Amino acid sequence: GIQVEQSPPDLILQEGANSTLRCNFSDSVNNLQWFHQNPWGQLINLFYIPSGTKQNGRLSATTVATERYSLLYISSSQTTDSGVYFCAVEQYDYKLSFGAGTTVTVRA
Amino acid sequence: DAGVTQSPTHLIKTRGQHVTLRCSPISGHKSVSWYQQVLGQGPQFIFQYYEKEERGRGNFPDRFSARQFPNYSSELNVNALLLGDSALYLCASSEAGGDEQFFGPGTRLTVL
Repeated sequence: GIQVEQSPPDLILQEGANSTLRCNFSDSVNNLQWFHQNPWGQLINLFYIPSGTKQNGRLSATTVATERYSLLYISSSQTTDSGVYFCAVEQYDYKLSFGAGTTVTVRA
Repeated sequence: DAGVTQSPTHLIKTRGQHVTLRCSPISGHKSVSWYQQVLGQGPQFIFQYYEKEERGRGNFPDRFSARQFPNYSSELNVNALLLGDSALYLCASSEAGGDEQFFGPGTRLTVL
């Protein structure tokens, strides 16, 4: 099956800092989503981005499908940004394959 | 609009027992998927149902089964529970299955 690799595995930020999370995938995909998992386990949709660039407030994402990677940018980080960020891809088979996640800790 | 709902929130069972988890999709969504997330890992795909038909199955044993009802809600059943089945079980809905998926809050299952 497809391999989804996220980096870095852990990220510690000072409040106000900017950061970039990366997602590499091993084969062509139909869809790509970024999620934020809160401490209670809920997966919050951040972006549905099979290609191109999208922005939502302090977050933005870029997917370069031809080069099989996606980037999630967090600007001016806040403590509420802490949690695990997942990248998930779908390969024309209706199922999402998730990476192992990046754990982000933002310190005040 | 209500999001995806799941019940129960938490569940404690003992080895060998059977469990049923329930999921109601977002109104208008016809596809429901189930995922298992063990501690420290990303979610793993179990099943997808669309219009009451199974459209995909992950690498899980036959102890795991599911169904979708005419109102598009779904049940996940797990028989002969093992300690390793302890996990967060997530349900996701989408309009047709190959588009954006939205997740419920999950059911946390503990097997003792």
